Amino acid sequence: DTEVTQTPKHLVMGMTNKKSLKCEQHMGHRAMYWYKQKAKKPPELMFVYSYEKLSINESVPSRFSPECPNSSLLNLHLHALQPEDSALYLCASSLTGTPEPEAFFGQGTRLTVV
Amino acid sequence: SQQGEEDPQALSIQEGENATMNCSYKTSINNLQWYRQNSGRGLVHLILIRSNEREKHSGRLRVTLDTSKKSSSLLITASRAADTASYFCATDGGNNRLAFGKGNQVVVIP
Repeated sequence: DTEVTQTPKHLVMGMTNKKSLKCEQHMGHRAMYWYKQKAKKPPELMFVYSYEKLSINESVPSRFSPECPNSSLLNLHLHALQPEDSALYLCASSLTGTPEPEAFFGQGTRLTVV
Repeated sequence: SQQGEEDPQALSIQEGENATMNCSYKTSINNLQWYRQNSGRGLVHLILIRSNEREKHSGRLRVTLDTSKKSSSLLITASRAADTASYFCATDGGNNRLAFGKGNQVVVIP
């Protein structure tokens, strides 16, 4: 299994809603990532988890709250988002401690904040 | 912060031609990777070149790395319509901080 599975594929939420994005992989990868991508732009790194511990937080607003419950799952909890947070949210995973850390990406969740 | 930055270009080529795109970055790296993205979906890893390598091949892909100039190029030979996509370089400076450059949109006309 070389897949990273993200759910849901599409999400529309209001600015007062609370929702969660989910990501799952069963490749034994111990590094997991959240990226945000706006149209015609490159993915922007948000968070990195290494061995289930948050290792990188790229100064992301607190309305985005990541969680890594175990080595296979990664969540992104959303609360009180703004319309400008509408984007494609990508999850990725990779091996750690390897000289060739190829990242595997999910298909993304397209989020629209209304 | 993003490390890799491609020369901003949109390529439109005929099927069978070669496509070349470039990437420049600013700080030291452990490796540089190229990814492909189709229609705003997930990214697919194409090839990785380590900082001590100068050239690498994988099928129709050829990547070069010049660490003195902090630049890389990706060549796709004998392009196909299925190669139509956005291509991003990404640099890894350590600690799994994989940062992407601006991307190149490649359109291969059948």
